[in-house]
Amino acid sequence: EDKVVQSPLSLVVHEGDTVTLNCSYEVTNFRSLLWYKQEKKAPTFLFMLTSSGIEKKSGRLSSILDKKELFSILNITATQTGDSAVYLCAVATRDSGSSGGTSYGKLTFGQGTILTVHP
Amino acid sequence: KAGVTQTPRYLIKTRGQQVTLSCSPISGHRSVSWYQQTPGQGLQFLFEYFSETQRNKGNFPGRFSGRQFSNSRSEMNVSTLELGDSALYLCASSSGRGDQPQHFGDGTRLSIL
Repeated sequence: EDKVVQSPLSLVVHEGDTVTLNCSYEVTNFRSLLWYKQEKKAPTFLFMLTSSGIEKKSGRLSSILDKKELFSILNITATQTGDSAVYLCAVATRDSGSSGGTSYGKLTFGQGTILTVHP
Repeated sequence: KAGVTQTPRYLIKTRGQQVTLSCSPISGHRSVSWYQQTPGQGLQFLFEYFSETQRNKGNFPGRFSGRQFSNSRSEMNVSTLELGDSALYLCASSSGRGDQPQHFGDGTRLSIL
């Protein structure tokens, strides 16, 4: 059974701090690892990682994947109160489709990390 | 470009009833995946539809079903509702080729009384 584990489950920091969120996985037929941010509603896409060792950056956020050790980290520098959210790690797999062919449509999610940033 | 649209946003039903949820994907996306989100189980994969065919299915009972239309819009149906079906139901769309991320709608909040 595919498994994704995130740590820590919750984190409380002050504005300006740097945080590191962890995601480890055990899946069959890995395709990619994705990070999402969820506030009140829809998870919003942050990063998609397919290759080891290549850092992806967007402003104060960055992420990297290690396919040998089966984990990824998400870094947020100079945190702001607007960064308060649940951060979700998900792994996409390449599955045999139920009607033949290949399916890429299944994401297995971790439990999420609740990040709270105080002013 | 319009995002993923889900309707209705909120729904209240009683046990034993059935419900249909709708999802309109991003224009050009052919894959729609459905997820159930609960506080206890987190986000769990229900099924994926691609080109009007169910391509993958999660570990949910047969009461959960879906379909996809020729314009890629998808519906999810839950029959004989149980209290445990109360959840946020999210759909996500993508190209379906595994080379692009899935983008999520705002979800339908289903409450069973």
